Amino acid sequence: KNQVEQSPQSLIILEGKNCTLQCNYTVSPFSNLRWYKQDTGRGPVSLTIMTFSENTKSNGRYTATLDADTKQSSLHITASQLSDSASYICVVGGGTSYGKLTFGQGTILTVHP
Amino acid sequence: DAGVIQSPRHEVTEMGQEVTLRCKPISGHDYLFWYRQTMMRGLELLIYFNNNVPIDDSGMPEDRFSAKMPNASFSTLKIQPSEPRDSAVYFCASTVLLSETQYFGPGTRLLVL
Repeated sequence: KNQVEQSPQSLIILEGKNCTLQCNYTVSPFSNLRWYKQDTGRGPVSLTIMTFSENTKSNGRYTATLDADTKQSSLHITASQLSDSASYICVVGGGTSYGKLTFGQGTILTVHP
Repeated sequence: DAGVIQSPRHEVTEMGQEVTLRCKPISGHDYLFWYRQTMMRGLELLIYFNNNVPIDDSGMPEDRFSAKMPNASFSTLKIQPSEPRDSAVYFCASTVLLSETQYFGPGTRLLVL
């Protein structure tokens, strides 16, 4: 069964600190891995997309890594800001339908001043 | 570009009533997706279209749900009859290619009493 597991479920950090979110997946065949940020009451916004051949991709203070061998990904946030408070969702493309995305449950990040 | 447009933003209805959700994708995007998000199940893909043709509807929960895309700039998701367990936020998203970023609309928050 295609699954995406994220950890931790929630995380609280102080403004200015760094943090890392984890994602493990069992989707096969693998096509790509995406990280989305979802602010409360809004639709998800794409942060990064990585294919099998990419092992790191950055978007400003966000850096995603991918280890296709161990089927793990991480999202590292540097120098966190209050606006980083959101749900971060790991999404894996592939599986039985090329267009199908399997979503993780998300990690809720809260940044305190 | 105005982004993906969804209407209504909020819908409250009674069990048994028909509900129609609407979506206008970003101009030039050939793929359109309908998602449902709940606290329990997270984000789930319901159906997606390519060039107005339904490609994968395996996520549609049951026959009460139907989706159409009569032209490149408009899609509807209909629930008939609605049930309380259909209460969720329904997102529409569009993209140019399956491998590229999906752009989500603001969502329709549906409450079925």
